[in-house]
Amino acid sequence: AQTVTQSQPEMSVQEAETVTLSCTYDTSESNYYLFWYKQPPSRQMILVIRQEAYKQQNATENRFSVNFQKAAKSFSLKISDSQLGDTAMYFCAFMKGVTSGSRLTFGEGTQLTVNP
Amino acid sequence: EPEVTQTPSHQVTQMGQEVILRCVPISNHLYFYWYRQILGQKVEFLVSFYNNEISEKSEIFDDQFSVERPDGSNFTLKIRSTKLEDSAMYFCASSEILLAFFGQGTRLTVV
Repeated sequence: AQTVTQSQPEMSVQEAETVTLSCTYDTSESNYYLFWYKQPPSRQMILVIRQEAYKQQNATENRFSVNFQKAAKSFSLKISDSQLGDTAMYFCAFMKGVTSGSRLTFGEGTQLTVNP
Repeated sequence: EPEVTQTPSHQVTQMGQEVILRCVPISNHLYFYWYRQILGQKVEFLVSFYNNEISEKSEIFDDQFSVERPDGSNFTLKIRSTKLEDSAMYFCASSEILLAFFGQGTRLTVV
C-alpha cells in the first residue's frame, strides 16, 4: 500500500515571497505519478502540478515548481512570488501508473496562508 | 472549459435515510471516481468506475454504498441508511486517462 505524508500542517508566507511545501511518500511501485492539488476555502480540488516518476526533470507550471527526489521519495512544491489567492489547503497525492484510472492517495494536507 | 458538476452542493438528511449524490463527469472522460473528505481530514478514495462497472473500491465502500451510471451522462453515489459519521464532503472526479478533475463537492450533513 502507498502512503503519503505531509509533515507541515500549517505554513504562512508573505505576499511575493517563496514558500516550499514538503511531501514524502512510500511505495514499492516503480511506475507512478505524483500530484499537488489545491483546495481553497470553496473546498473544490484544483490540480496544481503533476510529475511522472520516470521523468528526471522537475515539473514546472508558471509560479509552481516541484523538487522531485525519487531516491528519497520526496516531492516538494515551491510557490514563487506568492499571491493572496494562493491561500488554500495543499494536498500531495500519489497514483500508481500501472493501469489507467488508478486511485489517488492523498496526504494530510498543508494549510498555506499568504499574508499581505 | 469542461468541468465536473455535482448536485446538490449541500444535502441535509436524517440519520437512517437514503441519499443520492449526483455528478456529471466531463463528457469524453472514461473513468469516474468518488472521494470523501471528513471535515479537517484528508481526502479518501471510495470507488472508481470504468466501462459501467466498479474497477476498484476502498474498504470504506461497503454494502451501504453503491454507484451507478444510469443514463450515460450522470454518475451517482447512493448511501443507504445514513449514519452521523457519513457527514462529509463528497467529491466526484473524472479522468480521460490520467489527470483527475474534481467537481466542487457535495457537503452531506447527517442529523
